[in-house]
Amino acid sequence: GESVGLHLPTLSVQEGDNSIINCAYSNSASDYFIWYKQESGKGPQFIIDIRSNMDKRQGQRVTVLLNKTVKHLSLQIAATQPGDSAVYFCAENTSGTYKYIFGTGTRLKVLA
Amino acid sequence: EAEVAQSPRYKITEKSQAVAFWCDPISGHATLYWYRQILGQGPELLVQFQDESVVDDSQLPKDRFSAERLKGVDSTLKIQPAELGDSAMYLCASSTRLAKNIQYFGAGTRLSVL
Repeated sequence: GESVGLHLPTLSVQEGDNSIINCAYSNSASDYFIWYKQESGKGPQFIIDIRSNMDKRQGQRVTVLLNKTVKHLSLQIAATQPGDSAVYFCAENTSGTYKYIFGTGTRLKVLA
Repeated sequence: EAEVAQSPRYKITEKSQAVAFWCDPISGHATLYWYRQILGQGPELLVQFQDESVVDDSQLPKDRFSAERLKGVDSTLKIQPAELGDSAMYLCASSTRLAKNIQYFGAGTRLSVL
């Protein structure tokens, strides 16, 4: 399949290790955040979301942390698997709007 | 599982030609988005519809791009004339009427302008 992005920051992790992907968001008024996963040749797929009244939210094998003080999001993936290989984007949204602003993205490579 | 349908998957055209992309959102989704994703970057919103009305087209290059959603269901994005810099992935997404809701994306149309 074709590449989503050829010049993205890349994180390489060993299969079974934990992964941490970081995102700096731009708007201090943003109050809702989503992490998306985009595999080669596909559209972005929802992973997990978090509202600004929370610092942490957990899903299945994934955890999102939000630090509003420094406008920083992170996505933690536990026991990373080959199927986790993809580009990961964070997206931010401001209350009262439908508009989402996407970050640049990080490519996750899982090494066997 | 319901999906956002887009066609074609790939389009190759010469500059100055017209191209059109089609999107069928998930049934019942009132909000439809068109994004452009340049290689190596995140998706950038071009236009957003609520039912058949445009609610945001501030990033749409209106001299060459147009979008419509006449019956509030499927949508067409057109470029005329295409330029070399339009080469990108064009993604369609849909969501329910709630503002704070997940957008579901289609697989996109990869446009190459020669």
